[in-house]
Amino acid sequence: EPEVTQTPSHQVTQMGQEVILRCVPISNHLYFYWYRQILGQKVEFLVSFYNNEISEKSEIFDDQFSVERPDGSNFTLKIRSTKLEDSAMYFCASSRDTTQAGSIGYTFGSGTRLTVV
Amino acid sequence: LAKTTQPISMDSYEGQEVNITCSHNNIATNDYITWYQQFPSQGPRFIIQGYKTKVTNEVASLFIPADRKSSTLSLPRVSLSDTAVYYCLVGVYNDMRFGAGTRLTVKP
Repeated sequence: EPEVTQTPSHQVTQMGQEVILRCVPISNHLYFYWYRQILGQKVEFLVSFYNNEISEKSEIFDDQFSVERPDGSNFTLKIRSTKLEDSAMYFCASSRDTTQAGSIGYTFGSGTRLTVV
Repeated sequence: LAKTTQPISMDSYEGQEVNITCSHNNIATNDYITWYQQFPSQGPRFIIQGYKTKVTNEVASLFIPADRKSSTLSLPRVSLSDTAVYYCLVGVYNDMRFGAGTRLTVKP
């Protein structure tokens, strides 16, 4: 079964440092997403990406966040200057481009646990 | 964006059928209804998606009434491994927002 792969599984960084979280979406998927989940809380939408540009973003996705698809396979989330409150599990997801019934929904990766100290 | 309301938690016993209902009164015409399952420290996993009436797959059934203002996820004969958080999402394919979910605990 195709998977979304995320690296690293766990990253510890100092406050104020830049981090890049990496994802390899499923190869025939066209939409890509980042979500985050603070420990014990709900999964929060950050951004969706299609055709090399941001499709939708939430109020959480401010100027310190950016996304990029640097090549044909990777999808990255950069946090420019990390804060303590950025500590969370970050999930990448991908989906096929479909609006028809029978969609398989999003496929999520297993996440990167970011700890900001 | 359509807001969803689900019970915070539910308990069940092994072998029982579990029905989790989600309310989404302001669902839009283009919105689909999708359910995900999440185990601790894992990413959400797609269970089922529908637009109207009934959808069934090898894992679950999804019942959607004609007015589409609610939906019910039905899990037949649950086991201990079905203990997880279940999320109902309503939206279009590029902007799906999770609610608080329903924490299902299956007891022996």
